[in-house]
Amino acid sequence: DAKTTQPNSMESNEEEPVHLPCNHSTISGTDYIHWYRQLPSQGPEYVIHGLTSNVNNRMASLAIAEDRKSSTLILHRATLRDAAVYYCILRADREKLTFGTGTRLTIIP
Amino acid sequence: GAVVSQHPSWVICKSGTSVKIECRSLDFQATTMFWYRQFPKQSLMLMATSNEGSKATYEQGVEKDKFLINHASLTLSTLTVTSAHPEDSSFYICSAHRQTSSYEQYFGPGTRLTVT
Repeated sequence: DAKTTQPNSMESNEEEPVHLPCNHSTISGTDYIHWYRQLPSQGPEYVIHGLTSNVNNRMASLAIAEDRKSSTLILHRATLRDAAVYYCILRADREKLTFGTGTRLTIIP
Repeated sequence: GAVVSQHPSWVICKSGTSVKIECRSLDFQATTMFWYRQFPKQSLMLMATSNEGSKATYEQGVEKDKFLINHASLTLSTLTVTSAHPEDSSFYICSAHRQTSSYEQYFGPGTRLTVT
């Protein structure tokens, strides 16, 4: 399985943008970049995914480097409810999701 | 978004007994469901892939005779922890794909199992 590298933890102030980085230097051409997040004592929830182009949805934006070896999840205006562990996962279509250690995001009021 | 439920949300059982956890896709059909386990302060670990109407595929190191998986319909998969021991205490989470969409997995809220 292709692996991803994320910082163990990050902090951000409430109502400010958050940029969560992910390195995936061994990504293959068929791998999609997925982001999920897990709030405390809950199952993970889908955030966003992309292949080559930057993506936006109601939750976040995903910026993908031109060489696809890294990506950044952008939360435009963090709230306390965004405090969670964020997982960056590489996955080919319909393949299983393999979770790494993720980034624990703390939001400071 | 699609909803996946799990029952029970938490369970306490005595060592040596068996526990069944249900995973249901409430508003969509799921050909494939996945079972994960998560220990405190650790990441999710995939245990097995459950396919409707066929045998589950277990990840390396997961005992198939201990963790029995049944996926009898397109909306229900069950995980039975047989002869549970305290080291089986964990947070068990299921997820499912829609039949019509391959990119997003929908996760259940998890079941916390405590074996005394």
